[in-house]
Amino acid sequence: GAGVSQSPRYKVAKRGQDVALRCDPISGHVSLFWYQQALGQGPEFLTYFQNEAQLDKSGLPSDRFFAERPEGSVSTLKIQRTQQEDSAVYLCASSLGEEGEQFFGPGTRLTVL
Amino acid sequence: GQNIDQPTEMTATEGAIVQINCTYQTSGFNGLFWYQQHAGEAPTFLSYNVLDGLEEKGRFSSFLSRSKGYSYLLLKELQMKDSASYLCAVVDSNYQLIWGAGTKLIIKP
Repeated sequence: GAGVSQSPRYKVAKRGQDVALRCDPISGHVSLFWYQQALGQGPEFLTYFQNEAQLDKSGLPSDRFFAERPEGSVSTLKIQRTQQEDSAVYLCASSLGEEGEQFFGPGTRLTVL
Repeated sequence: GQNIDQPTEMTATEGAIVQINCTYQTSGFNGLFWYQQHAGEAPTFLSYNVLDGLEEKGRFSSFLSRSKGYSYLLLKELQMKDSASYLCAVVDSNYQLIWGAGTKLIIKP
């Protein structure tokens, strides 16, 4: 596709429910990033992939958060046993290499009730 | 710790000029980005500085001083559509992007 796409755009979950958020990066982009953005704040880094390798997961807030990119393209961010504090916009970005401009998807707005 | 500081909110008049400042303290420096983010939308790239000096791109310019840990984004001939949040982000020594909280720019007619 022309840009980074994410699905779903909006997700409402009951507390304790598991959710899976999908990111389709720009074709050919090696690097993929997940961010969490609270209202009125800048994005907070969650994790980073280079192809299928997860090189940095230091930003994942707890072991309930898990990300994968098994074939080096599409990535899924999974949140188990969601909590209210998980409510945020989850942004995915991709770039050609480790450095350089990151292109963002539209984000998934997660609301945990 | 790592820290990016930028004003929370600024107001300017249509047709005028505004400068949004960003100061940073990070472990290493491999460049600084400015992104624009309209409410409810994803950030979009504006500029990238890695060397000291001014980078001009149409109505937008970005300046960097590495010795001072300082950057600014200059917007000229402001238009109503420039109302958005402007995010400063620094690439640290691990090539991780450290983001500021963003500056909400309000343009008044």
